[in-house]
Amino acid sequence: GESVGLHLPTLSVQEGDNSIINCAYSNSASDYFIWYKQESGKGPQFIIDIRSNMDKRQGQRVTVLLNKTVKHLSLQIAATQPGDSAVYFCAETHTGRRALTFGSGTRLQVQP
Amino acid sequence: DAGVIQSPRHEVTEMGQEVTLRCKPISGHDYLFWYRQTMMRGLELLIYFNNNVPIDDSGMPEDRFSAKMPNASFSTLKIQPSEPRDSAVYFCASSPVDGADTQYFGPGTRLTVL
Repeated sequence: GESVGLHLPTLSVQEGDNSIINCAYSNSASDYFIWYKQESGKGPQFIIDIRSNMDKRQGQRVTVLLNKTVKHLSLQIAATQPGDSAVYFCAETHTGRRALTFGSGTRLQVQP
Repeated sequence: DAGVIQSPRHEVTEMGQEVTLRCKPISGHDYLFWYRQTMMRGLELLIYFNNNVPIDDSGMPEDRFSAKMPNASFSTLKIQPSEPRDSAVYFCASSPVDGADTQYFGPGTRLTVL
């Protein structure tokens, strides 16, 4: 069946360092991927997305990389700040499905 | 834009009681989703609607759960009777029909069933 998983449950980084959060997916039909950030007591917040016809997309301080060959995507956060501390989820879907399948999440802890 | 609105934010009830969670999607969004989040199972899709019509309810755990969307600006998720294992955070999300499949989430309702 479809599944989306994460390699690391917790990532601790120093303020100012770059962070990399990884995600693996199993459905080769997946063609749309989203990264969400969830702060304590809040709902998931959209960060960045990427379609399968791309392998890289950049936003403000964030970059998502997609490797379809190994079914892997990553979220890179540049110059990590304390406000980046949260749980990060990858989610995937495919054309015609609309609903998202979420990974289990990675907690990012930024040390001052 | 006010974003997705959910009420109540917190609900504590006793086993056997009926619980109704409410959601107002972002105006103009045609898709509405209900999710449940627990430590054990993460974020799970329960049901989603398109233009007020349920499209996929395969994630609804049991007949005790039901969801309705009487109009484009309101949806309810009802649990009757509630059980302690229903304790979770329930999220509503909405999505526009065009463009990306990005979903915008509400703040959630934390449900505790004693």
